[in-house]
Parts: sequence; structure tokens; C-alpha cells
Amino acid sequence: AQSVTQLDSHVSVSEGTPVLLRCNYSSSYSPSLFWYVQHPNKGLQLLLKYTSAATLVKGINGFEAEFKKSETSFHLTKPSAHMSDAAEYFCVVSDNDYKLSFGAGTTVTVRA
Amino acid sequence: NAGVTQTPKFQVLKTGQSMTLQCAQDMNHEYMSWYRQDPGMGLRLIHYSVGAGITDQGEVPNGYNVSRSTTEDFPLRLLSAAPSQTSVYFCASSRTSGGLGTGELFFGEGSRLTVL
Repeated sequence: AQSVTQLDSHVSVSEGTPVLLRCNYSSSYSPSLFWYVQHPNKGLQLLLKYTSAATLVKGINGFEAEFKKSETSFHLTKPSAHMSDAAEYFCVVSDNDYKLSFGAGTTVTVRA
Repeated sequence: NAGVTQTPKFQVLKTGQSMTLQCAQDMNHEYMSWYRQDPGMGLRLIHYSVGAGITDQGEVPNGYNVSRSTTEDFPLRLLSAAPSQTSVYFCASSRTSGGLGTGELFFGEGSRLTVL
């Protein structure tokens, strides 16, 4: 069985400061891991994905995530937050079947 | 390029009424799915399909039916709506047919359903 825990339900940062969103996963296999972003009243959009290649994954809009198998973590970071980064972020795990497991989400607020 | 289109965007139902949420994609994706999103719970899979004529249950299938007669369309039916089905529903598709491990899901913009 697979599952995801997002350790923070809400993160607030100042514009221009780093962003860290924490995600731990549980999987019986070598998982694929994803981060999706959802802006208000919109559908979800893929930020980045890990599929057993390089452990440091770069995504869109300056985001990146590092897969750490020993810590079962896949934390998302961005060096400098922008106002447009205010959104909800979901960590997602797949055991390579047809079912994805979503975390509960982390809401990011960016202060001017 | 329309992507994934969901209709309606908003719907209010009374308990016991039935309705169908429509989902269409124009990307020739084999995989389509329905999720519901509730506060603090992320997205939960209701039903999915890996091709025309093939459907399967997800995590929370009770109270919902689906069918897949064409590659493009994947409607979700609520047979007798209950207040517990008040939620935001998302349809998503992917071109991956051999498992979603490397595939990207493309989402519609959601359908907000309220059951009174």
C-alpha cells in the first residue's frame, strides 16, 4: 500500500525568501513521486516528477525536489518565493499501477 | 487545445436527485479518472478507466457509477445524491496505459457540487 504525509498544512513566506514544503511517503515498491500545484478555482498542474532517475528533480517555475530513499522523503523547495507561488501544493505517490495517492495538501501564502 | 473539459462547473442538487458530471478530453488519452477533493483530505480516486469499455473502482466508489463508451468521454453518475457527496470533482486523463508511474495527469478545472 502507498501513502503520503505532507507535514505542513500551511506555510507562509515573505516574497524573495526560500520555500520548503515537506513530504514523506510510504510505498511497498520503488515509487514514482510527483508534486502538483493548484491555484484557486483551477485544476491541478504537474510541477515535477521523480521516476527513479536523478534524485534531484527540477521542475517548472524554479521549483525542485530531492528524493531521499533512506528518509522516505520528497521535499519541495524554491530559492526565492514569488507572489504567483501562492497556491495549494500536493505531494503524490504512485506504486506504478493505475492509482495515485495524494497528500492532504499544503497551502502556501506569500507575503509582500 | 481544450485539454480536459468538465461540465457543469457548478451544480446544486436535492438529496435523492440524480445527475451526471461530464468529462471530455481531446488528447487521445487512454487513461481517465474521477477524483473528489474535500478540505484537508487531498484528492481521492472514485473510478478510473484504462480504455473504452474498461472501468475499475478507486478508493471511494460507493454512490457513483461510470462508463467509457468512447476514448474521449468519461461521465460520472450520481444515482441518488447525498449530502456526503458535496465536494469538488475533478476529471483527469493521461496518455500512459501501462501504469501511471511515469505519466502526467492532466486535470479539468473541476465541478463544484452541493447536495442539500
